[in-house]
This record gives sequence, C-alpha cells and structure tokens, in this order.
Amino acid sequence: DAGVIQSPRHEVTEMGQEVTLRCKPISGHDYLFWYRQTMMRGLELLIYFNNNVPIDDSGMPEDRFSAKMPNASFSTLKIQPSEPRDSAVYFCASTTGWERDTGELFFGEGSRLTVL
Amino acid sequence: GESVGLHLPTLSVQEGDNSIINCAYSNSASDYFIWYKQESGKGPQFIIDIRSNMDKRQGQRVTVLLNKTVKHLSLQIAATQPGDSAVYFCADYHSGYSTLTFGKGTMLLVSP
Repeated sequence: DAGVIQSPRHEVTEMGQEVTLRCKPISGHDYLFWYRQTMMRGLELLIYFNNNVPIDDSGMPEDRFSAKMPNASFSTLKIQPSEPRDSAVYFCASTTGWERDTGELFFGEGSRLTVL
Repeated sequence: GESVGLHLPTLSVQEGDNSIINCAYSNSASDYFIWYKQESGKGPQFIIDIRSNMDKRQGQRVTVLLNKTVKHLSLQIAATQPGDSAVYFCADYHSGYSTLTFGKGTMLLVSP
C-alpha cells in the first residue's frame, strides 16, 4: 500500500483565501484523523471520522474550519477564510481501529500551510 | 483532554551511546502508551506501544518502560545511531476517546 497520501505538500496563500487540504487514507482503514502541528502547540487533534462519519470535532478551532469525508477513500479539510495564525503542518492519519491491540496510527507526510 | 508532557526538550548523545527519553502523563485511565518518531519533513511514525497492564516492552533496539505509580513513561534506545536523530513523541490512548493525545516532543540529536 502507498500509505496515507496528502496533497498539497506545500501551500502558500494570502490571508482571506480558501484553502483545501486533501487526504487519501490507507485502504481498509475505518478511522481517519486530522491533526495540526505547530511549534507552540505541538500535535493537536482537529477532528476524526469513523466509517466516514465525524465522531469528534471538538478540536476544530472555529467555524472557519470544516472537514468532510464523502467516502472511505477521501477526506478534505477546508479553511475559509484563512488567517496567518492557521500557518502549520496539517497531518492526516488513518488506522483500522484499536481492536488490533496496538496504538498505531499511520500518518501522511503532511501539508505545510503558510498564510501570508 | 488529559495532558501528556515531556521532561526534556532536547537530548544530545554520541553515536553508540544509549538514549533515554522520558515522558510524564496525567491520565491514569489511559489504556495504551505509545512512542512515535518524527523525522524532519515527515509525519510521525509508530515505534512501540505498551498496554497499561504492562511495565516493560522490548522491540528492536528500543525498550519502553511504564511506571504507573509515578505516571512516567520512558523510551530507551540502545546503541544510538545518527539515523535515530528525530523528534520523539509520547502519546496516550484511552478507549473512551478513541484518539491519541500527544506530548510536546523531545528532539534527539546523535553526533557521529
């Protein structure tokens, strides 16, 4: 398997623009997570899905952030309008769930967002 | 949620030394504790995990120790190599949350 695939790897945009980040989880994984990483706050969970259904979005910073998972192989994280404080690396991760008795999440390479 | 934190932000060692990275956690109800490694420009990668009913688990060159009395977790890397240079995160998992909570990370620098 190719692993979790994220796009774009890098995005530079201006404040106020819409940003869409994309993720393709590993085939067969029924959990999908979106994390944000910054130097100040570390890795923060934004939202996660189970079987395409959002389960916990309490980590989403505000209404400017939205995430969807229209099918088992695709998810998007959208920021509209973007602000400089949204600059971070956004990671998508997937897993088959915790029934396999392991704490392993499979992370993508991340999308580095810079908002000017 | 509960917090998972680290004692040291940076650890510098010589190649061949053994490294110990420490982590304190606060949620005594966590089911698993996990260590991840993150190399520059990449996503975190699973290293090893340990269930809350264990106190030690060994992998290839790595050992994780869990001390529930003082809520302390450590990752020991034997014969540290330059390729081990990365940021290491501890994380805890609670079945009620179905998510991982990550600590801030410790950077390990290995000098040849």
